[in-house]
Amino acid sequence: GAGVSQSPRYKVAKRGQDVALRCDPISGHVSLFWYQQALGQGPEFLTYFQNEAQLDKSGLPSDRFFAERPEGSVSTLKIQRTQQEDSAVYLCASSLVGWDRTKNTEAFFGQGTRLTVV
Amino acid sequence: GENVEQHPSTLSVQEGDSAVIKCTYSDSASNYFPWYKQELGKRPQLIIDIRSNVGEKKDQRIAVTLNKTAKHFSLHITETQPEDSAVYFCAHRERFGAGTRLTVKP
Repeated sequence: GAGVSQSPRYKVAKRGQDVALRCDPISGHVSLFWYQQALGQGPEFLTYFQNEAQLDKSGLPSDRFFAERPEGSVSTLKIQRTQQEDSAVYLCASSLVGWDRTKNTEAFFGQGTRLTVV
Repeated sequence: GENVEQHPSTLSVQEGDSAVIKCTYSDSASNYFPWYKQELGKRPQLIIDIRSNVGEKKDQRIAVTLNKTAKHFSLHITETQPEDSAVYFCAHRERFGAGTRLTVKP
C-alpha cells in the first residue's frame, strides 16, 4: 500500500502479558518514529530509527519497552509485562529522509494500534 | 531533547471567526516547522509547514508564521468552518506539542 500500515489496529492484553506491535512504513522512507498517544493528549515521542539504526530511544518509558527495525523497513514495538498505564494508542510515522536538524520533512502516520491493558 | 509548548489547550470560536494557535520551541538549529490536524479517531495529518528561510506561508484559509528570534511559530485559520473542529498539533524536530482542541460553533 501507499501509506504507513500498523497492525493490529486493536489489542487487548491482560496485565502482565507481552505484546508486539508492527509498523510497515512507506517504502523507501529512511526515518521511522514511534509515539504513544494517551486519550486527549499529544503524541509522546518514544523512539527513532534511521534505517536499521536506533538513534534515539530516550522516550521509551521503561526497560519493558523495546523497539527494533532489523532490516531498515518494518519495525516492531514490544512491550513486556504490560501494565494498565501502558493503555494508549501507539502511532508509527515515517519520513523520506534521515532526520537531522536541517532536513526534517513531513511525517506520515499510520492509523495506530489501540492497546488496552485489562 | 527538544521542548515544545503549545497554547491554548482548547479554543472555541464562532463559525467565520479566526483562530490562532501558538507554539514555542527551544532548539534553534532545526529549520522545519509543521502543523498537523487530528480528527477524532484518525491519524495526525500534515496541514501546513514552513521552513526557516521564510517568515510566513499561506494555503487558502490557513497560514503559518514563524518568529525565529522569539522561537515561536503560529497557526492561523481564517473564516473558520465546523469541519475545522479537530485537535491541532505543532511539531519541532521529533517532538509534538500537547495539542489544541479547536471547536467551531455553527
